[in-house]
Amino acid sequence: GQNIDQPTEMTATEGAIVQINCTYQTSGFNGLFWYQQHAGEAPTFLSYNVLDGLEEKGRFSSFLSRSKGYSYLLLKELQMKDSASYLCAPLGGGFKTIFGAGTRLFVKA
Amino acid sequence: DGGITQSPKYLFRKEGQNVTLSCEQNLNHDAMYWYRQDPGQGLRLIYYSQIVNDFQKGDIAEGYSVSREKKESFPLTVTSAQKNPTAFYLCASSTGSSGNTIYFGEGSWLTVV
Repeated sequence: GQNIDQPTEMTATEGAIVQINCTYQTSGFNGLFWYQQHAGEAPTFLSYNVLDGLEEKGRFSSFLSRSKGYSYLLLKELQMKDSASYLCAPLGGGFKTIFGAGTRLFVKA
Repeated sequence: DGGITQSPKYLFRKEGQNVTLSCEQNLNHDAMYWYRQDPGQGLRLIYYSQIVNDFQKGDIAEGYSVSREKKESFPLTVTSAQKNPTAFYLCASSTGSSGNTIYFGEGSWLTVV
């Protein structure tokens, strides 16, 4: 079967670091995406990992362990505008992207 | 500018009516998708198309129909058979190749009145 597990909500303080974890089970695996979605808006692409390890892109980094079916998104120097939902989305067999329910991140002053 | 255009942004439908949501992309992408998102929920795949004149059912296709007569266009019809259509609808596209990133339109809010 296919399953994605992320925390429903997280709260962090402006300027801090937060890690959003994702575990997944898919039929086939061709990489994993992270998307950011502000309330009432469309998701926007943040990162794509296909090999194990850490990919860094500015304040955001994403990590993948294929053997563990695990990924995390790391957000540094949090800003108020980072308050959003973060969607973990593995690319399964047949190159079909599966979206999790997302983690709602609240950044407080 | 290249992108995905959805229209209308907001739509109200009466019970028993069919409505069609438009989606046009000028990214030259082969694959196009329709997702539904309910409040506080993830995205669920309705239909997808990997090439012109071909499309496949996603996880929740019942009560919906699509067509792909042109590469740029992938309209979604929400039929009267869809019993609970109030939701946020997202059209997306990708190159369709390995590691293809999905890019989204701005979404359409459909409300049944």
